Amino acid sequence: DAKTTQPPSMDCAEGRAANLPCNHSTISGNEYVYWYRQIHSQGPQYIIHGLKNNETNEMASLIITEDRKSSTLILPHATLRDTAVYYCTYDKIIFGKGTRLHILP
Amino acid sequence: DAGVIQSPRHEVTEMGQEVTLRCKPISGHNSLFWYRQTMMRGLELLIYFNNNVPIDDSGMPEDRFSAKMPNASFSTLKIQPSEPRDSAVYFCASRSWGGAYNEQFFGPGTRLTVL
Repeated sequence: DAKTTQPPSMDCAEGRAANLPCNHSTISGNEYVYWYRQIHSQGPQYIIHGLKNNETNEMASLIITEDRKSSTLILPHATLRDTAVYYCTYDKIIFGKGTRLHILP
Repeated sequence: DAGVIQSPRHEVTEMGQEVTLRCKPISGHNSLFWYRQTMMRGLELLIYFNNNVPIDDSGMPEDRFSAKMPNASFSTLKIQPSEPRDSAVYFCASRSWGGAYNEQFFGPGTRLTVL
């Protein structure tokens, strides 16, 4: 099974950047890294994906290390609405337990 | 598009009863996934289909669980007989398979409680 490692929880002050790490040391060369988030009890929602280069969209930025064994999701200005569980995955199928992000007012 | 549709949204049943969960994927998507989520185990993949054919059912917990996809617009997950430990939120997701990348779209989930 594809394995990713994420911290179980993190805190971030409102308005600050939230940096969520993920290790994916067994990723293969042509597999994309995906990030999803799950707010409350809703279904997970896609955030961003990347292969080698750093990516940015309206929701977040994704930094992938040169060896592709880890990545960081950046929420540049966290708000209370960003409180959620964040998942990284690289086989598009397997999700672990993710990181529970708490945004502190 | 209405997104992935799941029914029922909530189901409460007694141990030993049969439970059937339903999913309608997004039109045009050719892959469908069933997940189960609990606090203890997180989000687990149960089974997925490509073009209505089951590809990997290794996540199905035991023979009490079965899934079918009779056509491209409908899938069911059945538990017979149900047990209290089956209580969880069950998510269905769909996407287009193939190409370099494709995001998955999740339904709202079915919250199952087995008493």
